[in-house]
Formats: sequence, structure tokens, C-alpha cells
Amino acid sequence: DVKVTQSSRYLVKRTGEKVFLECVQDMDHENMFWYRQDPGLGLRLIYFSYDVKMKEKGDIPEGYSVSREKKERFSLILESASTNQTSMYLCASSFPSGAYTDTQYFGPGTRLTVL
Amino acid sequence: TQLLEQSPQFLSIQEGENLTVYCNSSSVFSSLQWYRQEPGEGPVLLVTVVTGGEVKKLKRLTFQFGDARKDSSLHITAAQPGDTGLYLCAGAGYNFNKFYFGSGTKLNVKP
Repeated sequence: DVKVTQSSRYLVKRTGEKVFLECVQDMDHENMFWYRQDPGLGLRLIYFSYDVKMKEKGDIPEGYSVSREKKERFSLILESASTNQTSMYLCASSFPSGAYTDTQYFGPGTRLTVL
Repeated sequence: TQLLEQSPQFLSIQEGENLTVYCNSSSVFSSLQWYRQEPGEGPVLLVTVVTGGEVKKLKRLTFQFGDARKDSSLHITAAQPGDTGLYLCAGAGYNFNKFYFGSGTKLNVKP
């Protein structure tokens, strides 16, 4: 079974803190993604990576950065956390099939609260 | 603005009833996926439809991709409490690494 793990299920941080969210997958997938999930808005893509050290901006990258130093690990960084970044953060990975049918495997999510 | 609009946003029904969830867009997608997410977990893929007009069945769930590849529906027959969850549709753009998710339909099936 594919497993995607996220470093924390719940996290509480203060405004202005630097926050690291870690994601690890064990299936040697090339693609990894970070989404945030808010009620009524579905999942919105923050960043994705299709190879080690490669990254591309998603739809809402402002206030975030990412790091992918190893194939299995994809980190999301909030440079200076703000209250509007309070959300559920989901990591996913996929193997690129090249046929528009990639299956994304999601981690359980990290619920981040910024006070 | 959501690229994919889902309706209804919430649905609460009794066990045994049938229901349909819709996923609509003005954009054309190369494929469309449906996921189910249970509380405290990440979404899990149910099905991928690729061809316009395609219908796929997964036990009591029937998925359809519109002829123009802009919309999709999920029909559940004789819903059970185990079907409770958040249903998300996701469309693949022509940059096939990227998917666009709908806003979700929260289904509650009461015993």
C-alpha cells in the first residue's frame, strides 16, 4: 500500500513564526503536491514538484515556499505565519502515467492554527 | 472563482435513498476524477473517467463524464451510512501533473 505521512496532525503556531510542514511518501513517486483545504473552497494547489529540487507554483503560492531535497520528502514552509493561513494542509504524491489519469495519494492532513 | 462547481454543497438523506451529485465547469478537462474524504483522513480516489460520455459503475456508485468533457455526475443507489463523507471531483488540465478540485459535496446518510 502507498503511504503518505505528514509530520503532524495538529499544529498551533503564533503569527510571525516560521512553520515547517513535512511530507514523506514511500512509493518512489516523482510528483508531490501541497494543497490547502478550506470549507466551501475544496482543495487549492499551493505548490507541486515533479522531481528532486524541481518545484512549480500552484494557484495560491503567496506566503509559502517548498523544498524537495530528496525524492521521498516534500516540505512546505510558511515563512512568516499569518492568521489567514489557518487551514487544513494536505500533501499528495503520484506516479506520472502521462495519460491524464494519475492517481494522487493523500496524507491524512495537518490542521494548522495560527494565533 | 472555482473552476469546478459542485452541487449540492450539503446533502442529508436517509439510508436507502438515491442521490446524485453534480460537478460542472465551463472548461474542458482531459479527465475527471472523483474522491471521497472521511473525517480526519485525506481524499481517496474512487474513479477516473477519461472519454466524453463515459459511464463507470463501482457497485452502487455510477459515474458519468459529460459528452463535452466539462461536467460529471456521481449517482449513488440505495445509500448506506458508510457512504457518508465529503465527495470531491477533480479535473485534469492539459498540464497533466495538475488537477483542479471542486468545492466538495458533504453527504450524510442517516441510518
